[in-house]
Amino acid sequence: IQLTQSPSLLSASVGDRVTLSCKGSQNINNYLAWYQQKLGEAPKLLIYNTNSLQTGIPSRFSGSGSGTDYTLTISSLQPEDVATYFCYQYNNGLTFGSGTKLEIK
Amino acid sequence: EVQLVESGGGLVQPGRSMKLSCAASGFTFNNYDMAWVCQAPKKGLEWVATISYDGSSTYYRDSVKGRFTISRDNAKSTLYLQMDSLRSEDTATYYCARHPNWDPWFDYWGQGVMVTVSS
Repeated sequence: IQLTQSPSLLSASVGDRVTLSCKGSQNINNYLAWYQQKLGEAPKLLIYNTNSLQTGIPSRFSGSGSGTDYTLTISSLQPEDVATYFCYQYNNGLTFGSGTKLEIK
Repeated sequence: EVQLVESGGGLVQPGRSMKLSCAASGFTFNNYDMAWVCQAPKKGLEWVATISYDGSSTYYRDSVKGRFTISRDNAKSTLYLQMDSLRSEDTATYYCARHPNWDPWFDYWGQGVMVTVSS
């Protein structure tokens, strides 16, 4: 399964509600996770099984979706959220999306 | 605190071999499946290989099958990746990662080690 993330670059203001998209080439059956990777750091797990928040992750992060279309939402963007975000599917093989780079406007 | 610390990277010529290690601490290593994930420079992430908690099962992405071998020493809480017949396209940062509770995602990652394949 191939994953397409959009947009590739997103610029938003502090406090904005931000939505990142991940679309699969086939049905993912909700077997989708989201990772945050800050510059020079290892990826960090945010969400698994579409909408389950990993322990210790702020509640401003949430996930949703079904079928081939999934979304990561940040309800109120914070400066520390600047990072690249990857989706990851494990329904058929193990593949990552190409990432969305999130910047502060 | 869970810690995963990779070592063994560097510059290697095409066709040669390299072995990566990942020292684990802060959890019961032999209870968890483990994996290697790579990231080519300024590119996305790619799963490389996974090994079951007891080492009895291994899984690889197609592009490394027959060239890479994942293994573990549970007595030493250490994960390995033996990389043979290296190609320029194997150049990447390699991360050691833990699968939680036999789940297919990764909950903890190491800081990564760079492997550069070049003559």
